[in-house]
Amino acid sequence: AQSVTQLDSQVPVFEEAPVELRCNYSSSVSVYLFWYVQYPNQGLQLLLKYLSGSTLVESINGFEAEFNKSQTSFHLRKPSVHISDTAEYFCAVSDLGSSNTGKLIFGQGTTLQVKP
Amino acid sequence: EAGVTQSPTHLIKTRGQQATLRCSPISGHTSVYWYQQALGLGLQFLLWYDEGEERNRGNFPPRFSGRQFPNYSSELNVNALELEDSALYLCASSLVGELFFGEGSRLTVL
Repeated sequence: AQSVTQLDSQVPVFEEAPVELRCNYSSSVSVYLFWYVQYPNQGLQLLLKYLSGSTLVESINGFEAEFNKSQTSFHLRKPSVHISDTAEYFCAVSDLGSSNTGKLIFGQGTTLQVKP
Repeated sequence: EAGVTQSPTHLIKTRGQQATLRCSPISGHTSVYWYQQALGLGLQFLLWYDEGEERNRGNFPPRFSGRQFPNYSSELNVNALELEDSALYLCASSLVGELFFGEGSRLTVL
């Protein structure tokens, strides 16, 4: 069975500071990894994904995540955050490529609070 | 291109009633997924439909059911509503791999 652990439920940070949101997963099969963002009263938006290839993936708004197979991690980073980055962030894992149960398993979420 | 659309946006029901939530996937997407986001419980996988068939089901009681229509839209039905069914219900569609989510339907059970 697959599982995802987001190690921090809340991360407060000042504007323009760097941030890292941690995500670890467990799986016995090859996986795809995702980060989704949820702004207040909205649905989930895909931030970035790792399917294959380069282990470092980037989003258009400055976030990046690195797939580390040996540490089973997919931490999300941004070198300088903005107030508008305040949201809840979800790490997710799926087996859509291999056994394909159709499930996307989510972590519990990390609330990023950017302070001025 | 229109995204995943869900209706209604908000729904208020009382215990024991039935709720029906609807989802229209992105054009061309054949798979529809339903997730429940309840306070304190995170995002839980409910159902997966593909090509009109139920492909997988999460750990929810049988009173949670649904279907997918020939045009790939989907309904989620929740019978005999309980207070703990209050949650945001998210629908997502996919073609291959990546899931695209709608804005959700917020169900409140009083």
